[in-house]
Amino acid sequence: EPEVTQTPSHQVTQMGQEVILRCVPISNHLYFYWYRQILGQKVEFLVSFYNNEISEKSEIFDDQFSVERPDGSNFTLKIRSTKLEDSAMYFCASRTGSTGGARYTQYFGPGTRLTVL
Amino acid sequence: QKEVEQNSGPLSVPEGAIASLNCTYSDRGSQSFFWYRQYSGKSPELIMFIYSNGDKEDGRFTAQLNKASQYVSLLIRDSQPSDSATYLCAVNRQAGTALIFGKGTTLSVSS
Repeated sequence: EPEVTQTPSHQVTQMGQEVILRCVPISNHLYFYWYRQILGQKVEFLVSFYNNEISEKSEIFDDQFSVERPDGSNFTLKIRSTKLEDSAMYFCASRTGSTGGARYTQYFGPGTRLTVL
Repeated sequence: QKEVEQNSGPLSVPEGAIASLNCTYSDRGSQSFFWYRQYSGKSPELIMFIYSNGDKEDGRFTAQLNKASQYVSLLIRDSQPSDSATYLCAVNRQAGTALIFGKGTTLSVSS
């Protein structure tokens, strides 16, 4: 069964450094998302992306964050200058563009644990 | 502020019992409702979704939706120890828009 994949599984960085988290969505999916989950807290929406542009973003997704689909398979989240409070699990998700019930479902990748020291 | 509320638990049930998980949401414009299961340190895994009032069954799982009461629930029949996890309720306004998650209910099934 196709899956969303994410790399790396764990990233440790120093405060102020730039990080890029990578995702490979399911191959025929057209809609892509990033969520994060701070330890012990709820999953929070960051951004959605369709047709090479941001379609929706949350208040969390400020100028320090950016997303890109650099080629036909990867979807990346960049944090320009990491802060301690960016430490969290970051999940990528994707969704088909088809009609029917499947259009509702976002499938999550395994996540990247980001630790900012 | 759109909110999704769940009892954090833990909800403890013996093996073979029915587990009942509840969720309320504040945004009356919500159209789609999801239950995800999350094991510790892992990503959310979809169990089922529902978008019409009433019941929807899938194997041992039944989702129930009451939009008038802004309430959605998940029943797990014949609970197994492997069902022990945190169950996340999520809603969105339209297909494909941002999912708003509750904090989750931790279920513990004892053998």
